[in-house]
Amino acid sequence: DIVVTQSPDSLTLSLGERATINCRSSQPVLYRSNNKNSLAWYQQKPGQPPKLLVSWASARESGVPDRFSGSGSGTDFTLTISSLQAEDVAVYYCQQYYSTPFTFGQGTKLEIK
Amino acid sequence: EVQVVESGGGLVKPGGSLRLSCAASGFPFNIAWMSWVRQAPDKGLEWLGRIKSNSDGATTDYIAPVKGRFIISRDDSKNMLYLQMNSLKIEDTAVYYCSPSGIFFAYWGPGTLVTVSS
Repeated sequence: DIVVTQSPDSLTLSLGERATINCRSSQPVLYRSNNKNSLAWYQQKPGQPPKLLVSWASARESGVPDRFSGSGSGTDFTLTISSLQAEDVAVYYCQQYYSTPFTFGQGTKLEIK
Repeated sequence: EVQVVESGGGLVKPGGSLRLSCAASGFPFNIAWMSWVRQAPDKGLEWLGRIKSNSDGATTDYIAPVKGRFIISRDDSKNMLYLQMNSLKIEDTAVYYCSPSGIFFAYWGPGTLVTVSS
């Protein structure tokens, strides 16, 4: 099974600051048929289901603010929030879908200082 | 508009059974691969398994902890997805979500809570 590890486990930043969340997979997740990395990012607010932010490591979903961006390749990936807003307080998860069983990172809790 | 709504959760004793349902609408259910994902209280997300479309053989994949206990099935005539859960354990306590995808999950329902407790 591919193990997905996020860092840090929690993050406390001020409004307007840049947030960086890292995700590492235990093996490469590059899908050779389309040359894209099989890595997604989700945001989950309390009491709500997760919301897909990014797929294929860097493809932002329609309607997601452009302050959210995904990057990385191979085994190392990053979700960046360029300027933190109050509504970004949430837990963020990455997920690999390169091979079953699909696996999620343990989550990163983002809070405002 | 794509919608999925899970139902069937509740309180069940260890060793018991429960069948969850997922009502789908707004997309061609008969060609969709469908997944179940769960989240234990105050814990992270765990993909349980998926079922491919009937045209792709309706084959299923499961994670090891539920293989042999849980069964995913579908009824394309009703746009319904099911999760039959047998031999339930305390550690199966979670909110269960269905999602119309076999890889990443763009759509989620509100989830249904399953509590396994004596």
